Amino acid sequence: EVQVVDSGGGLVHPGGSLRLSCATSGFTFSDYGMNWVRQAPGKGLEWVSYISDSGNSMYYADSVKGRFTISRDNAKNSLYLQMNSLRAEDTGVYYCAGRFIYWGQGTLVTVSS
Amino acid sequence: EIVLTQSPGTLSLSPGERATLSCRASQSVSSSYSAWFQQKPGQAPRLLIYGASSRASGIPERFSGSGSGTDFTLTISRLEPEDFAVYYCQQYGSPPYTFGQGTKLEIK
Repeated sequence: EVQVVDSGGGLVHPGGSLRLSCATSGFTFSDYGMNWVRQAPGKGLEWVSYISDSGNSMYYADSVKGRFTISRDNAKNSLYLQMNSLRAEDTGVYYCAGRFIYWGQGTLVTVSS
Repeated sequence: EIVLTQSPGTLSLSPGERATLSCRASQSVSSSYSAWFQQKPGQAPRLLIYGASSRASGIPERFSGSGSGTDFTLTISRLEPEDFAVYYCQQYGSPPYTFGQGTKLEIK
């Protein structure tokens, strides 16, 4: 059975940092490109970042470029998102998605003073 | 950045009817790398269609996708009660991998 578990969300002040994690099992993690997708409250989906299966290629949405860093540990079947210089507009549910096939349940990030 | 525009914003239909959802891209989507997702309240999105027309694993045959270039369509042949949800198109051919703004399919 495939399991994708997102964690690490919480309340953070503007300008602060947070690190999200995504633990996976049930599929060959090292064969999958991985993504982070977010959804602001009551809004649509926004793709945030992608990392290739080997970790050699990364892409970012313009809205997070230079502030967020995606990484992965294939030995631990895990994906990460380091988020720095957080803004109110970064508030939302963050989903980890493997090739957009396997999705986590999401973790809520709230940026507020 | 490829901008995806979905229409209509809201579609009101009855169970048993046919639904046609559209997605138009601001520029051609390479190799038909387009997808459709369904999302219900409080749930993660679910992949329905990838490669413009291939059904994802476990997706019922009543869901079909078509199109290429800049115009893509999701068709639900006969609506079931569980199909009423929000649907998003997406392109994953050129980063940034953008989503459309969504079409809400509601019960009439």
